[in-house]
Order: sequence, then structure tokens, then C-alpha cells
Amino acid sequence: ELKVEQNPLFLSMQEGKNYTIYCNYSTTSDRLYWYRQDPGKSLESLFVLLSNGAVKQEGRLMASLDTKARLSTLHITAAVHDLSATYFCAVTYGGSQGNLIFGKGTKLSVKP
Amino acid sequence: SAVISQKPSRDICQRGTSLTIQCQVDSQVTMMFWYRQQPGQSLTLIATANQGSEATYESGFVIDKFPISRPNLTFSTLTVSNMSPEDSSIYLCSTNARGFGEAFFGQGTRLTVV
Repeated sequence: ELKVEQNPLFLSMQEGKNYTIYCNYSTTSDRLYWYRQDPGKSLESLFVLLSNGAVKQEGRLMASLDTKARLSTLHITAAVHDLSATYFCAVTYGGSQGNLIFGKGTKLSVKP
Repeated sequence: SAVISQKPSRDICQRGTSLTIQCQVDSQVTMMFWYRQQPGQSLTLIATANQGSEATYESGFVIDKFPISRPNLTFSTLTVSNMSPEDSSIYLCSTNARGFGEAFFGQGTRLTVV
């Protein structure tokens, strides 16, 4: 059974600080996604990681993938309040790009 | 990217009734997916809907409770039947638009059952 574990589940940061969210998954998967969700909203796609060693960056967020370790990280650099949201990682299973198993999410709160 | 329109965006329903949620994609897609997000929780896949065939349900979800239609390559509906307060959740449709390598989500339907 494919499981996705995310940690931490809650993260309170000061503005300007750096931190990393971790996503471990239990079996081989074709791709790994990172999403952002604001309260009461749908999911916003942040990154899609397809291969071992993949690294993608957008603004203050950088995601990486180590398929051998079955680990992805989402690194936050110099956090700002606007980054406050819940971040989910998800992996595909069953050979389909749409069957996703989600982690429990990391609720990030960035305080001034 | 694929644009997914979902409606209604929210509803408050009486227990024992049913609600049908519609999902429209701006391009033809092979597979559409329905997810449930219970309050404060992560997303769980309910079923996969292919055009022209019966939906495939995940463990813990059954067709009698969550019937799904997929009449063409751009549209799907999910019905939540005989609702109880435990069905109060956000329901989201998703697709993996061909060629984009991503899974896109509709804006979700926030259902409250009273």
C-alpha cells in the first residue's frame, strides 16, 4: 500500500527564516506533486517532479526529489506572511497521472 | 493548463437528500477524478471516471452512495446520495490534462449537511 508521510504537520515560522518540509513515500511512483491550499480554497499546483535529482524553484520555494530515498523536500527561503497556507505533497499510483495519494499536509504559519 | 469549472461552489443540504456536483473541463480529457476533503483533513480519492465506462471506486466508497456520470470527454458529475452530516466535506474534481503532466483541480464544492 502506498503511503505518503509529511512532516512537520504544523509549522510556525518567523518572517525571514528558512525551513524545510519533508515528504516520504513508501513505494515507487512516477511523479511527485506539491500543492498549496489557502483556507476555503482549492489546490494550487506548485511543482511537479518527475525524475531523481529533479529540483524546481519558484520564488521563495524550492522543491527537490530523491527517488532512491523516496523523499521530496520543499524548502522555504526567507519566509514571508503571504506563504502562510497548507502545503500538500502527493504521489501518483496505479500508472495514472491522476490517481494521487496525498500527505496529510503541512499547515504553515508565518508570523511577522 | 486545464481549466476546471465546478458547481455548485457550496451548498447546505438536509440529511437524507442528494446533491449532484458538476465538473466541466475546457478540453477533452480521458480521465477525471473525484476527491473528498473532510474538514481539516487531506484529500482522499473517491473514484476515477473514464468516458464510456463505469467509474472505478476506491476502497471505502461505493456506487450507491456516490454515483458518477461521465457522458463525454469534458464533463462529469458526482452525486452524494442520502446525505448525513458525516458527508460534510469539500468535494473536488481533477484531471490530468493530456500533455501537461500535471493534475489540475476544480475550485471545489463545500458541502454542509444539516
